[in-house]
Amino acid sequence: DVKVTQSSRYLVKRTGEKVFLECVQDMDHENMFWYRQDPGLGLRLIYFSYDVKMKEKGDIPEGYSVSREKKERFSLILESASTNQTSMYLCASSPWGTGDEKLFFGSGTQLSVL
Amino acid sequence: GQQLNQSPQSMFIQEGEDVSMNCTSSSIFNTWLWYKQDPGEGPVLLIALYKAGELTSNGRLTAQFGITRKDSFLNISASIPSDVGIYFCAGILTGGGNKLTFGTGTQLKVEL
Repeated sequence: DVKVTQSSRYLVKRTGEKVFLECVQDMDHENMFWYRQDPGLGLRLIYFSYDVKMKEKGDIPEGYSVSREKKERFSLILESASTNQTSMYLCASSPWGTGDEKLFFGSGTQLSVL
Repeated sequence: GQQLNQSPQSMFIQEGEDVSMNCTSSSIFNTWLWYKQDPGEGPVLLIALYKAGELTSNGRLTAQFGITRKDSFLNISASIPSDVGIYFCAGILTGGGNKLTFGTGTQLKVEL
């Protein structure tokens, strides 16, 4: 069964900590994305990548960075976590040439920053 | 950035009822999509629309690409308990590359 796997379902961190959210896909997809989901705001794009070592800022990149060293893995990094980064984080992937609409999502990581 | 407004924000309906929700924008989109997020899961694509006026069905779900290209509609007929979840519209802006913009979501709850 093909899937996008996010390493943690729930995560609790303290303000100022460096946080790593990991995402792995087994579908050999070129495109990978990180979104955050907040009630009443829907999904907002943080960063995306169309190839290994490549990254592009989305709509809300401030306070985040990403790493894509291997095709199947896309990591989201919170350099110094803050309480306003408490949210549900969703990773997604899609195959090359399909545009962004054929997104396959992971189950999400609920991050709480205290 | 651009945001899509979904209405209603939440719905509490009886099993067997039909459901309607919509998504509106001030900008023109060339693709409209509807996703569903089950509790505890990521969103899954339900329907994709590529032409103004297009009407597409997927089982009990029917979606329409608005004629003005600034809106889209989703209908669910004869709702059942497993329809519970959050429904998101998403669109790709004309001239916006391939970037998806998501709506604010409609939470659906079904009463037995």
